[in-house]
Amino acid sequence: DAGVIQSPRHEVTEMGQEVTLRCKPISGHDYLFWYRQTMMRGLELLIYFNNNVPIDDSGMPEDRFSAKMPNASFSTLKIQPSEPRDSAVYFCASSFPSFYGYTFGSGTRLTVV
Amino acid sequence: AQSVSQHNHHVILSEAASLELGCNYSYGGTVNLFWYVQYPGQHLQLLLKYFSGDPLVKGIKGFEAEFIKSKFSFNLRKPSVQWSDTAEYFCAVNGPAGSNTGKLIFGQGTTLQVKP
Repeated sequence: DAGVIQSPRHEVTEMGQEVTLRCKPISGHDYLFWYRQTMMRGLELLIYFNNNVPIDDSGMPEDRFSAKMPNASFSTLKIQPSEPRDSAVYFCASSFPSFYGYTFGSGTRLTVV
Repeated sequence: AQSVSQHNHHVILSEAASLELGCNYSYGGTVNLFWYVQYPGQHLQLLLKYFSGDPLVKGIKGFEAEFIKSKFSFNLRKPSVQWSDTAEYFCAVNGPAGSNTGKLIFGQGTTLQVKP
């Protein structure tokens, strides 16, 4: 079991650029979650999918953020255009079924300058 | 809407001291409860979880938590902390149990600093 795999681990980009974060969930898990962690706001749920379908995207902060899950083994979180206030650690997590708890990926530390 | 409250934001203890971190949740129905730990620079890892049955749950690394339904609480305990327990601890709730709603609601986290 390779766990939840996120890439890249670190991303530094300039304001206005497009950023794409990637996640590969654990095989067989049917839930996938994207969280953002900052010192000020803690852990925020951005969006989650069940069987590749977005269930709740109420946490997505703005239209600049979008997420897709084209198949059961891959998801992306895109920010376009990026802003300095988007700087955070973005975690992906997967679960099957959800009430057994999540397995988190190692996160992507995003810095927008 | 469900919410999770962790009373202690920052706790400092000496090694061998006992630990108790508070967690209260707002949902009135049957819930699933979790504690996660995040070591510096790492991702969240599951410490322990409660679904049903014995309200005293034992997890990894000597941690335990007690579910008290009447108090809507799920406090984390450890009899004797070690320097390696320095981390951030998150309480989380999902419910109603068995509903498969998917979403875990996390508390704001408690930073534990253990002095050697």
